[in-house]
Amino acid sequence: DADVTQTPRNRITKTGKRIMLECSQTKGHDRMYWYRQDPGLGLRLIYYSFDVKDINKGEISDGYSVSRQAQAKFSLSLESAIPNQTALYFCATSDWGGRAQETQYFGPGTRLLVL
Amino acid sequence: AQRVTQPEKLLSVFKGAPVELKCNYSYSGSPELFWYVQYSRQRLQLLLRHISRESIKGFTADLNKGETSFHLKKPFAQEEDSAMYYCALKDTDKLIFGTGTRLQVFP
Repeated sequence: DADVTQTPRNRITKTGKRIMLECSQTKGHDRMYWYRQDPGLGLRLIYYSFDVKDINKGEISDGYSVSRQAQAKFSLSLESAIPNQTALYFCATSDWGGRAQETQYFGPGTRLLVL
Repeated sequence: AQRVTQPEKLLSVFKGAPVELKCNYSYSGSPELFWYVQYSRQRLQLLLRHISRESIKGFTADLNKGETSFHLKKPFAQEEDSAMYYCALKDTDKLIFGTGTRLQVFP
């Protein structure tokens, strides 16, 4: 089955360290997204990309960067991790079937703890 | 500003009771709205979209532009409906999610 995968699934790191979260998809979708989920705050968009040459900032991009290495790969980096970046991170892809028909497909999530 | 509000963090009901998860939105154009659901140990997934006017797993949601609402309803809750529910608004090229409501259905 076509899928969205994320690595690692869990990560503990220290303040100031650089860390990369990776997302791969076999769905053949052009559009990919990174979200973070925090209790009581829901999902907030960090970055999104509509193709390899297109990168857009989301609601909370400060402290993060991304790389779209290929249609199937979209990586999220924390250049210098800080404790308030402790969260559950989701990657998603979408099939553009028109604005109202679009469905986003989510990965399993990466749980990040910054000490 | 575009916004989605889910006023309830937690909704607890007994099996067989009606369920209504509230969602209100703020949007300057013609809204496109969705409900996503996350069951325990499963991925977030689309439940339904307003454009389809469909019933999924017994759930329906009607867009009320006058009240700027898109509440999710089910007449008889089941234990397997226990999950986290997110209302989402399509804003140009991206989704804006609400903060979510956890539904607990007790036996």
